[in-house]
Amino acid sequence: EPEVTQTPSHQVTQMGQEVILRCVPISNHLYFYWYRQILGQKVEFLVSFYNNEISEKSEIFDDQFSVERPDGSNFTLKIRSTKLEDSAMYFCASRPGDRSDEQYFGPGTRLTVT
Amino acid sequence: AQKITQTQPGMFVQEKEAVTLDCTYDTSDPSYGLFWYKQPSSGEMIFLIYQGSYDQQNATEGRYSLNFQKARKSANLVISASQLGDSAMYFCAMREGRVTDKLIFGTGTRLQVFP
Repeated sequence: EPEVTQTPSHQVTQMGQEVILRCVPISNHLYFYWYRQILGQKVEFLVSFYNNEISEKSEIFDDQFSVERPDGSNFTLKIRSTKLEDSAMYFCASRPGDRSDEQYFGPGTRLTVT
Repeated sequence: AQKITQTQPGMFVQEKEAVTLDCTYDTSDPSYGLFWYKQPSSGEMIFLIYQGSYDQQNATEGRYSLNFQKARKSANLVISASQLGDSAMYFCAMREGRVTDKLIFGTGTRLQVFP
């Protein structure tokens, strides 16, 4: 069964460093998302992406964040200058298309900022 | 006001018994979708079941069913014949309206299944 994959599974970085989290959505899915979950808290929406552009973003998704679909399969989240409070599990998700609401999540990348 | 409320921080159920996890939602938009996800201790988010606001029948997926009571704005997850592997966090989520497709999550319920 096709699934969303994410790499790396765990990333440790120093405050102020740039990180890129990678996702490969399910092929033929058209809508892509990033969510995050700070330890012990609920999942929060960051950004949605469709047709090579951001369709919606939350207040969390400030200028430090960017997303890109560099080729036909990868979908990346970049954090330019990480802060301690960026430590969280980051989930990528994808959705097939307009007739389907289900979002399928990847296994997540645990980001630890020291 | 919270858009998604899960009032049970933790639930216990014996193996093979059924359990209901509560979820209430708050929206004035007539078009919305309700989701349940399972998060095992390993951390991944597993999609379980979906209910659209216009769906006439309650959604079912194997041992999972969604008890959708529109007037009460509740979308409880029922797990029948619980298994030890069902022990996990369970999150209710909502997509509100047709303009957005972001999911709004509740705080989750930790389910523990005991033998």
